Amino acid sequence: DSGVTQTPKHLITATGQRVTLRCSPRSGDLSVYWYQQSLDQGLQFLIQYYNGEERAKGNILERFSAQQFPDLHSELNLSSLELGDSALYFCASSVVGREWETQYFGPGTRLLVL
Amino acid sequence: DAKTTQPPSMDCAEGRAANLPCNHSTISGNEYVYWYRQIHSQGPQYIIHGLKNNETNEMASLIITEDRKSSTLILPHATLRDTAVYYCIVRVPPGTASKLTFGTGTRLQVTL
Repeated sequence: DSGVTQTPKHLITATGQRVTLRCSPRSGDLSVYWYQQSLDQGLQFLIQYYNGEERAKGNILERFSAQQFPDLHSELNLSSLELGDSALYFCASSVVGREWETQYFGPGTRLLVL
Repeated sequence: DAKTTQPPSMDCAEGRAANLPCNHSTISGNEYVYWYRQIHSQGPQYIIHGLKNNETNEMASLIITEDRKSSTLILPHATLRDTAVYYCIVRVPPGTASKLTFGTGTRLQVTL
């Protein structure tokens, strides 16, 4: 158990819909990362937050957005969903989000878009 | 980012040592080598990391060659629960983004 929690574990929705994935970092960690794992793209970095502020952006679509709240939990919002958005979405956390820190991953949310 | 090359798959008998190689010939002097694994579709799990010295923890040992162009992750007594995809990752230098860049990894199958 990494200490990172994600909800829900599974999500099934239809194309065009909007969903919100939630992540709670390990106690004491200020930085949160979101990754997407699809069959054809592997594990890819989406976005990083540190103490409520966006710190780095990766291959995140404009239809996707994220935020980190004062209590440090983070939400990833996916809108206008397409079939290709079906994937595993992982959240990771680290203490202050620096390059040398170990990132600890949550169990993931499996999203299926029908 | 320094590119890593890993064999796509390996087999290991339970109880034997699993030695997983990684080539990172373009690594810079201040880049760390990290190893993560992913069991089935669970979240990636941190295993170990190192810069130039060999490292050992309760999970594994990491051997980095003197020229730092390759490394080997050693699971000393592999069990069925070690069946997973193992990712060797070179962390970007300080001052740049802290994202992890995952390759395709090595799928380790531990058998009876």
